[in-house]
Amino acid sequence: DAGVIQSPRHEVTEMGQEVTLRCKPISGHNSLFWYRQTMMRGLELLIYFNNNVPIDDSGMPEDRFSAKMPNASFSTLKIQPSEPRDSAVYFCASSFRAGGTDTQYFGPGTRLTVL
Amino acid sequence: DAKTTQPPSMDCAEGRAANLPCNHSTISGNEYVYWYRQIHSQGPQYIIHGLKNNETNEMASLIITEDRKSSTLILPHATLRDTAVYYCIVRSGSARQLTFGSGTQLTVLP
Repeated sequence: DAGVIQSPRHEVTEMGQEVTLRCKPISGHNSLFWYRQTMMRGLELLIYFNNNVPIDDSGMPEDRFSAKMPNASFSTLKIQPSEPRDSAVYFCASSFRAGGTDTQYFGPGTRLTVL
Repeated sequence: DAKTTQPPSMDCAEGRAANLPCNHSTISGNEYVYWYRQIHSQGPQYIIHGLKNNETNEMASLIITEDRKSSTLILPHATLRDTAVYYCIVRSGSARQLTFGSGTQLTVLP
């Protein structure tokens, strides 16, 4: 079975440019999460969706960040305009939740470098 | 979610069992213990989780003490590919996010 798919795997851009990261969750999963990992702050949750609806975006750093999930098989995380401090590895994870707890499965990540 | 304490690093000889400890003395009754690992430059990988009972799957075993204040992840026959940062996470059933701490850097030595 295919796991969580993320694209691109690497992105290098210049400050001020728009960046779009993409995620395809595991088929059948109903929850999707975007995390960011940096050396200074470790892994942080940015936003999560349940049944394509954003539930908690309190981790989104500022208005330059936005995320969408137009359908159950696709999500995007957009940064506009990008800044050097946005350089990090961005992970997407998905899970199936039906009461009780759930297990999140992570994608390989997108390594973003903003010059 | 309860705070966890893990040693920053451990070594293990290839082929031997790796026993990774985790303290979670403030865990409450509805909180699960999850283990993930992250191999360099890859996404976190789910290993195992449990509530009260010991658990075993194809990757590892999870031993939770009777008072639930600590647990041990056991990799029965460590290989070089098991070198990674291992994260112990305590999470309530209703929580959505995973809160990753600093983890334990396990190095499997040939």
